[in-house]
Amino acid sequence: AQTVTQSQPEMSVQEAETVTLSCTYDTSESDYYLFWYKQPPSRQMILVIRQEAYKQQNATENRFSVNFQKAAKSFSLKISDSQLGDAAMYFCAYRRWDTGTASKLTFGTGTRLQVTL
Amino acid sequence: GAVVSQHPSRVICKSGTSVKIECRSLDFQATTMFWYRQFPKKSLMLMATSNEGSKATYEQGVEKDKFLINHASLTLSTLTVTSAHPEDSSFYICSASPKLAEIYNEQFFGPGTRLTVL
Repeated sequence: AQTVTQSQPEMSVQEAETVTLSCTYDTSESDYYLFWYKQPPSRQMILVIRQEAYKQQNATENRFSVNFQKAAKSFSLKISDSQLGDAAMYFCAYRRWDTGTASKLTFGTGTRLQVTL
Repeated sequence: GAVVSQHPSRVICKSGTSVKIECRSLDFQATTMFWYRQFPKKSLMLMATSNEGSKATYEQGVEKDKFLINHASLTLSTLTVTSAHPEDSSFYICSASPKLAEIYNEQFFGPGTRLTVL
């Protein structure tokens, strides 16, 4: 079974600074997806960024980027120029590669990010 | 696009009653819908996976007779908590995976339903 580990229960960053959230996972499969989701106080899950395992290039979305190390099974999220609105719970998630039907997401335990002035 | 709604957003019920939560994909057809449960300050725990027109697949430890899931159409799945008890109080979130092949690997989340059982 796949497992996802987030070893940082809480992180804090000053506004405009950069912060990196860690995630490791365990799988025996070679093709899969990795995601970072944000859950603000409203509790609506928001997709931040996604990475296909077959792609060597790290995904980026504006201020958000990942460092995907397939051999090490590591998938960290870097938030640049942090903003107050980035304060939220961040979940790393794994999903098996689908061949016709959608498969489930396996979530990590989450990292609560605080952004200070 | 890709909006998922849940109704109700909050529900309070008495112990022993049943509660139905609806999950709708508003602008796409969802082949598969997922139901999660989230305790305060905890991660999402998958309860079951439902495919349109077939029985739901429940995760280990989830009582299928207590948490009834129906996925009668490509835009609607329902979760019924039967004979609810205070320990069923939680935040329930659904997600939907589109039928369209090019984006069927995405999951779009509903806003969640807070259930409180007195």
